[in-house]
Amino acid sequence: GQQVMQIPQYQHVQEGEDFTTYCNSSTTLSNIQWYKQRPGGHPVFLIQLVKSGEVKKQKRLTFQFGEAKKNSSLHITATQTTDVGTYFCAGPENTDKLIFGTGTRLQVFP
Amino acid sequence: NAGVTQTPKFQVLKTGQSMTLQCAQDMNHEYMSWYRQDPGMGLRLIHYSVGAGITDQGEVPNGYNVSRSTTEDFPLRLLSAAPSQTSVYFCASSLGTGQETQYFGPGTRLLVL
Repeated sequence: GQQVMQIPQYQHVQEGEDFTTYCNSSTTLSNIQWYKQRPGGHPVFLIQLVKSGEVKKQKRLTFQFGEAKKNSSLHITATQTTDVGTYFCAGPENTDKLIFGTGTRLQVFP
Repeated sequence: NAGVTQTPKFQVLKTGQSMTLQCAQDMNHEYMSWYRQDPGMGLRLIHYSVGAGITDQGEVPNGYNVSRSTTEDFPLRLLSAAPSQTSVYFCASSLGTGQETQYFGPGTRLLVL
């Protein structure tokens, strides 16, 4: 079945530094979704990308969908302590199965 | 509008015991699913349902049963708990399919001794 991998697994940054997590799928995706999970919380939807090469921004967060629709990235500019958490990408294997990546845990030191 | 609710929040079981994790949503969503979360493994799909009366297996279905008798409820049953089932379990729902935005419940933390 479809596999979705993320790197890095962990990232520690100083507040104000930038952060990037990368997501790679074993198959071509119809879309890619990103979720954030705060420590002790549940995953919360951030954004969905559909088009090849699509770039979307949410304040300090920039999301990209690769040209081949097999990879994606999330970049955070000037991290803040509120960015702490685990970031997951997820891609549908078909209309019924949403497969999540392994996640990247971000720690921000003040 | 409570969204997706899960009970219990925390449970301790002994090996071989059975239990049911409850999940309910009040958003009239057709699609519901169960994931388990383990360190370094991300979220893995256990079972899902595209509507009342319809269920199917996800990535890691062994040891778990589900049913969907109503649109609102999607319970997950562990027939004979094993230590390998120690995990955090999340229920999620979406309006129509697995390709749409998933709304997650708060999770159930399960420890099997």
